[in-house]
Amino acid sequence: ETGVTQSPTHLIKTRGQQVTLRCSSQSGHNTVSWYQQALGQGPQFIFQYYREEENGRGNFPPRFSGLQFPNYSSELNVNALELDDSALYLCASSWRLAGGGTDTQYFGPGTRLTVL
Amino acid sequence: KQEVTQIPAALSVPEGENLVLNCSFTDSAIYNLQWFRQDPGKGLTSLLLIQSSQREQTSGRLNASLDKSSGRSTLYIAASQPGDSATYLCAVPVGGGADGLTFGKGTHLIIQP
Repeated sequence: ETGVTQSPTHLIKTRGQQVTLRCSSQSGHNTVSWYQQALGQGPQFIFQYYREEENGRGNFPPRFSGLQFPNYSSELNVNALELDDSALYLCASSWRLAGGGTDTQYFGPGTRLTVL
Repeated sequence: KQEVTQIPAALSVPEGENLVLNCSFTDSAIYNLQWFRQDPGKGLTSLLLIQSSQREQTSGRLNASLDKSSGRSTLYIAASQPGDSATYLCAVPVGGGADGLTFGKGTHLIIQP
């Protein structure tokens, strides 16, 4: 059983650019969630995907978008980067329960994004 | 809107001590609660998940309790070791039909050798 992987590990962009971050879910999981973690803070929920459709979104603007693919890998896209987007971006995979909700979320190592 | 608070923000204790980390949440309509560990610059490692129907969950030297009605959870670490040094985060579902997690800011724990 493979764990959650993310790429790239680090990324440096300039303000106004666009970025794509990638995540490969743990084998057997059908749900992926993305989080943004600023330094010294807890992770903030961006959105979640289940069966290739967005299944809930946190308080993030539309320039944060995502995709989930049939093999349950996922992308996070951020357009028009701002300095405040500098953070650790984490994805987590989990199994959606029959009655709704998800089981334990397993996190990847994260992508450190720096916006200059 | 669900909010999670963790107390204390930081804790430094000598090796071997038993310690308790606290977590409180504002909306008691949760179906589970998770405790995570995060080492500096790294991702999160799941420690324990407690279902809303449970009151306790144990893994090795870790014991987590949940009092849903009062909106509180505690993580008890027995016989602390320097390797336990990390930031500990608790998280509950965001609610409102979404299954993402709302996190506290964490407790930064240092175990002195």
